[in-house]
Amino acid sequence: NAGVMQNPRHLVRRRGQEARLRCSPMKGHSHVYWYRQLPEEGLKFMVYLQKENIIDESGMPKERFSAEFPKEGPSILRIQQVVRGDSAAYFCASSLTGLGNEAFFGQGTRLTVV
Amino acid sequence: KQEVTQIPAALSVPEGENLVLNCSFTDSAIYNLQWFRQDPGKGLTSLLLIQSSQREQTSGRLNASLDKSSGRSTLYIAASQPGDSATYLCAVRYGETSGSRLTFGEGTQLTVNP
Repeated sequence: NAGVMQNPRHLVRRRGQEARLRCSPMKGHSHVYWYRQLPEEGLKFMVYLQKENIIDESGMPKERFSAEFPKEGPSILRIQQVVRGDSAAYFCASSLTGLGNEAFFGQGTRLTVV
Repeated sequence: KQEVTQIPAALSVPEGENLVLNCSFTDSAIYNLQWFRQDPGKGLTSLLLIQSSQREQTSGRLNASLDKSSGRSTLYIAASQPGDSATYLCAVRYGETSGSRLTFGEGTQLTVNP
């Protein structure tokens, strides 16, 4: 079991470009979460998805950010028209089911906007 | 507001010392609590998961306790080693009203000196 896989590990984008972050959950896991860690800050919840459904997006900015978890393939966090304030580490976690199960995290994608 | 607080923010100890990291949460209606370790520039490694019905969990030199009534959890590390140096994060699932997301504390940065 390869664990939660995120790619790329590092991503540099110029202001105004789009950033696409990918997350493949652990095998058999159908619940995916995205968190953001700003420099010198704690992890903040962004969005919770199950296959093909967004369950909770209350932590995600309403503009420029979107997430999906298609029936086939990885979950994608998409940031359009990036700004310097989007520079952060973005972590994906997965769990077998929802509430009761242990969450496993990927290594993160470190986004730098220049 | 559901918040998680970790004290101290940083801790430096000599090798071999036993130590306790503290986590407090504002709402006792938690579903479970999870302790993680984060190394610099890396992802999160799950250490222990305690369900709300449990009082403690143990793994090797680590022991985590949970006291819902007082809103506290502690992570006890026995016979600390330099390899234990990392940031330790406490995260709480507040139950069905908050979905399945984890609410994180700011972390305790531990340094174990040889």
